[in-house]
Amino acid sequence: GQQLNQSPQSMFIQEGEDVSMNCTSSSIFNTWLWYKQEPGEGPVLLIALYKAGELTSNGRLTAQFGITRKDSFLNISASIPSDVGIYFCAGPHNNDMRFGAGTRLTVKP
Amino acid sequence: GAGVSQSPRYKVAKRGQDVALRCDPISGHVSLFWYQQALGQGPEFLTYFQNEAQLDKSGLPSDRFFAERPEGSVSTLKIQRTQQEDSAVYLCASSPGGYTEAFFGQGTRLTVV
Repeated sequence: GQQLNQSPQSMFIQEGEDVSMNCTSSSIFNTWLWYKQEPGEGPVLLIALYKAGELTSNGRLTAQFGITRKDSFLNISASIPSDVGIYFCAGPHNNDMRFGAGTRLTVKP
Repeated sequence: GAGVSQSPRYKVAKRGQDVALRCDPISGHVSLFWYQQALGQGPEFLTYFQNEAQLDKSGLPSDRFFAERPEGSVSTLKIQRTQQEDSAVYLCASSPGGYTEAFFGQGTRLTVV
């Protein structure tokens, strides 16, 4: 089963609003990854975090690697309709990635 | 092609039928991963190849699932005697090295009726 817990499960926001979502784990991770998946597509990597406390931006997206190494946050500023999708956090497990269940984002124009 | 290609995109199988799902990774990518994604869930790891060697198959749910990558390029995921609970999207990803550089295909949506 999944080791990563994401919240909220879904969000409905107005275009232009900021969004914040998070991911927690029962175990320590050395890497946090954030992916976005659109309908009918595979996940696409948005941001990778490699160091506790690290804050990394990719355009309007900002992600942080929690100090405890058991959590991570993703923020989206000034949301636009194309931000719609499911956002997954992922962390390493042996040779592969383990994913959370995702946060489904809906943006109303 | 420029990205990871999976075929077929959609597959409907009758319960008990065998299916084969194909993944064409990005050329030159050493690592290849298979994931299963149930509706409303995140991808769950199935198996991992480094070149032709299957280094981890701990995520395969039963002995009905079998994956191969005989020449270290194209991979096939085979499911024998399909059951309804096998219905899911099967995602393939490839990377030149570790998992953090992995690129996903569009997936194959398998529906078992």
